Amino acid sequence: EAGVAQSPRYKIIEKRQSVAFWCNPISGHATLYWYQQILGQGPKLLIQFQNNGVVDDSQLPKDRFSAERLKGVDSTLKIQPAKLEDSAVYLCASSLGHGYTFGSGTRLTVV
Amino acid sequence: AQSVAQPEDQVNVAEGNPLTVKCTYSVSGNPYLFWYVQYPNRGLQFLLKYITGDNLVKGSYGFEAEFNKSQTSFHLKKPSALVSDSALYFCAVRDMGPGSSNTGKLIFGQGTTLQVKP
Repeated sequence: EAGVAQSPRYKIIEKRQSVAFWCNPISGHATLYWYQQILGQGPKLLIQFQNNGVVDDSQLPKDRFSAERLKGVDSTLKIQPAKLEDSAVYLCASSLGHGYTFGSGTRLTVV
Repeated sequence: AQSVAQPEDQVNVAEGNPLTVKCTYSVSGNPYLFWYVQYPNRGLQFLLKYITGDNLVKGSYGFEAEFNKSQTSFHLKKPSALVSDSALYFCAVRDMGPGSSNTGKLIFGQGTTLQVKP
């Protein structure tokens, strides 16, 4: 089966600019997650979707981050405006039952 | 709150020697535990998981992990390390989602860098 697709792989932006990341989960996986992985740390959940509804967004900085999952398939994570501390790898994952599959991630550098 | 801890930032072993990467957990109820590996500029690759059953879980690439309920540990092991095993390893526990027994976010440890020297 195809894996979780993410794009772009790398992105460099200046602070205060906006950026968007895209994720296409494994077909049939109802649950989709966005994680933020700062260098030297483990991934931390930003937001979890079940189909197109939000299950958990308690750790999402809602003043600058937003995410949507239209039609319960693809998802987009946006940052506006970006800060230096947003530099990280953004991982998308999807799950079915006890199985979780991660994409290759988007490495964001904010300068 | 559920959590995992990886007490070692880095583990160094010689090629051919056995390796252990430590993980302890804190959960309410029965834990669902996972190990992932991350190579540079790559996503997380699944190694193995413990849901229920035998305490010794076998996974990908010759790795295995031992679930120890009394010590609340889930250490990752391999009998003979390879240089290509050098990577970042993450232990994770599943946090049960509200009102659901099927999905929940993964809570990760901070990671352990494994360095295997020739």
